[in-house]
Amino acid sequence: QKEVEQNSGPLSVPEGAIASLNCTYSDRVSQSFFWYRQYSGKSPELIMSIYSNGDKEDGRFTAQLNKASQYVSLLIRDSQPSDSATYLCAVSREDSSYKLIFGSGTRLLVRP
Amino acid sequence: NAGVTQTPKFQVLKTGQSMTLQCAQDMNHNSMYWYRQDPGMGLRLIYYSASEGTTDKGEVPNGYNVSRLNKREFSLRLESAAPSQTSVYFCASSDTGLLLAGEQFFGPGTRLTVL
Repeated sequence: QKEVEQNSGPLSVPEGAIASLNCTYSDRVSQSFFWYRQYSGKSPELIMSIYSNGDKEDGRFTAQLNKASQYVSLLIRDSQPSDSATYLCAVSREDSSYKLIFGSGTRLLVRP
Repeated sequence: NAGVTQTPKFQVLKTGQSMTLQCAQDMNHNSMYWYRQDPGMGLRLIYYSASEGTTDKGEVPNGYNVSRLNKREFSLRLESAAPSQTSVYFCASSDTGLLLAGEQFFGPGTRLTVL
């Protein structure tokens, strides 16, 4: 079992819809959670971080964390074609806080 | 303020050749990282440096060495390149602290092909 799992996609949504991206992790001591966006041929860019259970909103993005169920999700409201990218989930553990474990990413396609 | 810079952007090597990938950051970050990214594999940590003067192995360190030259610079060396090292290499940096370490800033990447 991979430490961080994501559906590779592609997840295809129409413009204006809500895109829901999911991530599960296996290690219960995981403490911090991050979503990175990576456009094709470019480097990853941090878009959200979440550290406690519940929701965290930033503009059109909402990160949701449920530590009991070991999943973290990213909602993108009013999806735009410019949101088309690969979204990488990453987690860090309390005992190795300098290291991130990345999932393999979910490719999102927003159709005009 | 350039952020994280990497050189070269592209490189083609023959099996057995050596090379050094350079990385520099101007954000005064203490921690720096080297990742490789292969199709369908996500980002995998090769080596990291939590602070100047320290380096530690990540998930896939075999075949690589690193040097934390100073606070700004962190280089990755391939002593004897192999086709399995064909990949895109990213350098990243972050501030220290339990939470901040995960907020990493990435360089543009080096696309390496080993023939």
